Amino acid sequence: EPEVTQTPSHQVTQMGQEVILRCVPISNHLYFYWYRQILGQKVEFLVSFYNNEISEKSEIFDDQFSVERPDGSNFTLKIRSTKLEDSAMYFCASVRDGQTTQYFGPGTRLLVL
Amino acid sequence: RKEVEQDPGPFNVPEGATVAFNCTYSNSASQSFFWYRQDCRKEPKLLMSVYSSGNEDGRFTAQLNRASQYISLLIRDSKLSDSATYLCVVNNGNNRKLIWGLGTSLAVNP
Repeated sequence: EPEVTQTPSHQVTQMGQEVILRCVPISNHLYFYWYRQILGQKVEFLVSFYNNEISEKSEIFDDQFSVERPDGSNFTLKIRSTKLEDSAMYFCASVRDGQTTQYFGPGTRLLVL
Repeated sequence: RKEVEQDPGPFNVPEGATVAFNCTYSNSASQSFFWYRQDCRKEPKLLMSVYSSGNEDGRFTAQLNRASQYISLLIRDSKLSDSATYLCVVNNGNNRKLIWGLGTSLAVNP
């Protein structure tokens, strides 16, 4: 069964450094999402992406964040200058056209020191 | 009022028990409703969608009351493997953005 994959599984970085989190959505899916979950808190929507552009973003998704689909298979989330409060689990999800079910990747655990 | 509100629990029940979780949502225009299950430090996994007429999947039954903006999940004959956090999730718009509750923690004990 096709799955959403994410790399790396864990990332440790210093405050102020740039990180890129990578996702490979399921191949025939058209809608892509990033969510984050700070330890002990709820899952929060960051951004949705469709037809090579952002369709919606949350207040969390400020100028430090960007997303790209550089090559038709990868979907990346970049944080330009990480802060301590960016430490969280980041989940990518994708949806097939005409469906509502979001399929989640296993997540990247980001720790900013 | 929180967008999606759940009792965080924890619920501690013996094997074989029936347990019910409740959830309320604030946006009356919400369109789709789901229960996800999340194991510790893992990604959320869809347990079931929730339909207006109510729906059942094996030991799991989900109900939706749009008038009260209330969603429920009933687990019958609970198993040790049901121990997890159950997340109530609502989709508000055409872009399919999901709004999540904090989750209800369930521990099924032998």
